[in-house]
Amino acid sequence: ETGVTQSPTHLIKTRGQQVTLRCSSQSGHNTVSWYQQALGQGPQFIFQYYREEENGRGNFPPRFSGLQFPNYSSELNVNALELDDSALYLCASRIGGNQETQYFGPGTRLLVL
Amino acid sequence: AQTVTQSQPEMSVQEAETVTLSCTYDTSENNYYLFWYKQPPSRQMILVIRQEAYKQQNATENRFSVNFQKAAKSFSLKISDSQLGDTAMYFCAFMKHDYDKVIFGPGTSLSVIP
Repeated sequence: ETGVTQSPTHLIKTRGQQVTLRCSSQSGHNTVSWYQQALGQGPQFIFQYYREEENGRGNFPPRFSGLQFPNYSSELNVNALELDDSALYLCASRIGGNQETQYFGPGTRLLVL
Repeated sequence: AQTVTQSQPEMSVQEAETVTLSCTYDTSENNYYLFWYKQPPSRQMILVIRQEAYKQQNATENRFSVNFQKAAKSFSLKISDSQLGDTAMYFCAFMKHDYDKVIFGPGTSLSVIP
């Protein structure tokens, strides 16, 4: 295991609702990235946080937002859920802005009905 | 924009044999990192091997090695002495040297057959 944890493991929501996913990064890691992995596809980058500031964002609408806390844990918030938001959401942490190796959590599987 | 392509959606290999997974990428960058990640069924994604573009020597990690062809923008993974535990999705990934987002390919599903 990588030391990165995510909660909850599974979640079922209905269209239009809001959801918050949580990630606890590996000890000493100050950079967290979030990815969306649709079934049968590779992960797609959502955004990245470095020392509580967003410093990179993929092609996701503003209803995908995030936070990073002083202890470097992180949240992903998705508003106005759509059916296509059903996916595995992965967070990954790394030791610092200039280190390339990411360590992934187990993911949260979100189903939107 | 950078893209990563894996042209083999599924592959299989006999236990103890050798298999090579292909990956090509497109970028105008000169400095970057390339990775192979493994995602076993219902388990966490883990790093298998990484390569820095400015290093000409191919990376090796035990039974895993890469063939990095920078001019051809090719980055293949060779798994020697395949084991049942190697059964997983394998993703090729790219990251620019500014440590921004990681771009993943669509993956190759590898099955190791006893």
